[in-house]
Amino acid sequence: EAAVTQSPRNKVTVTGGNVTLSCRQTNSHNYMYWYRQDTGHGLRLIHYSYGAGNLQIGDVPDGYKATRTTQEDFFLLLELASPSQTSLYFCASSDAWGAGERLFFGHGTKLSVL
Amino acid sequence: GDSVTQTEGLVTLTEGLPVMLNCTYQSTYSPFLFWYVQHLNEAPKLLLKSFTDNKRPEHQGFHATLHKSSSSFHLQKSSAQLSDSALYYCALSASSGSWQLIFGSGTQLTVMP
Repeated sequence: EAAVTQSPRNKVTVTGGNVTLSCRQTNSHNYMYWYRQDTGHGLRLIHYSYGAGNLQIGDVPDGYKATRTTQEDFFLLLELASPSQTSLYFCASSDAWGAGERLFFGHGTKLSVL
Repeated sequence: GDSVTQTEGLVTLTEGLPVMLNCTYQSTYSPFLFWYVQHLNEAPKLLLKSFTDNKRPEHQGFHATLHKSSSSFHLQKSSAQLSDSALYYCALSASSGSWQLIFGSGTQLTVMP
């Protein structure tokens, strides 16, 4: 089973704070993704990447930056956190992008912005 | 654009009764359909995926049939178990959306004893 590890598992910050969420996958997958999960909205794609140094914009990118430093590591940055960014964040990886490709998810990071 | 609709936010069942979670979709081209399941404090994981040859996928007693005529991919199980309590997501991937995986809003299934 593919392994995706997120850290921290929980994070509390204040409005205007600076937050970095980390994700590492050890599956040699090319694609990595950041999603946020909110009741009534499901999983929404923030950013994704198909390799080190690459970044693609997802459906809800406002207020978020991301960086893929290596094939294994993908970071999500909130430079001026706002209460609307309180959510459960999931990282995922996949071997390819295309028809029927399966995603492997991490256990999530619960972020609270006070 | 492509979209997925799950009309039930919450479904509560008694153990042993049949399960059916609804999923309908809109897509310009024939999509792949998926069901992902997320147990409490766990990562979402793939439960089922539609086949291109119209075979019915099955896993852990769950099955789903892709009906192109009604644009549906409902999740079914003949007898609910307590361990089936989880959040279920329907999702699609199609060429009309550049193959991006699009999730529905999710259905929380609670199975009571």
